[in-house]
Amino acid sequence: DAKTTQPTSMDCAEGRAANLPCNHSTISGNEYVYWYRQIHSQGPQYIIHGLKNNETNEMASLIITEDRKSSTLILPHATLRDTAVYYCIVRGAGGSYIPTFGRGTSLIVHP
Amino acid sequence: NAGVMQNPRHLVRRRGQEARLRCSPMKGHSHVYWYRQLPEEGLKFMVYLQKENIIDESGMPKERFSAEFPKEGPSILRIQQVVRGDSAAYFCASSTGSLYEQYFGPGTRLTVT
Repeated sequence: DAKTTQPTSMDCAEGRAANLPCNHSTISGNEYVYWYRQIHSQGPQYIIHGLKNNETNEMASLIITEDRKSSTLILPHATLRDTAVYYCIVRGAGGSYIPTFGRGTSLIVHP
Repeated sequence: NAGVMQNPRHLVRRRGQEARLRCSPMKGHSHVYWYRQLPEEGLKFMVYLQKENIIDESGMPKERFSAEFPKEGPSILRIQQVVRGDSAAYFCASSTGSLYEQYFGPGTRLTVT
């Protein structure tokens, strides 16, 4: 799997957009970018994934740069319940099918 | 559609006893993964199974740990002769295929006294 680099921590005001960056400069052409999050003491939760195009679902948006070397997860209107550790993972055909969870970004949403 | 189920949610064992952790995947999912999370650490992959087959056990300790996913029934992670270092949260995830998104259960918190 391509390695990913994320900031250790970020904070965001409630109601504002939270933009979480991820660098994956060694990503290969057939690898997807996945995002998961883990709220304290709970099981990780799948958020979104993408290959080349930007993606949006009910939870978040994923913006992938044209060269695919980085991406940004956007929570458009962060709430206190979005406080969690967010993991950016790259995996896909030709690489390991086992996602590697690194340290992630600890996002704190404050009132 | 029920999510991934794990039981028990909390398990206390004395050193030397056996621990059995169960995982029922989401309906329609035939791929199961087990992860371990030590306090204040990230998730570490342990084993990947499909029905009746172990696909990848590269993250499993060589001794005392075993896993199965029988044709019928839940997947089971078994830890024999538990030691204090086995105290952790054990998460199970399931998916429809090896490259698809994984859905996690709530975890089993094992405490070894």
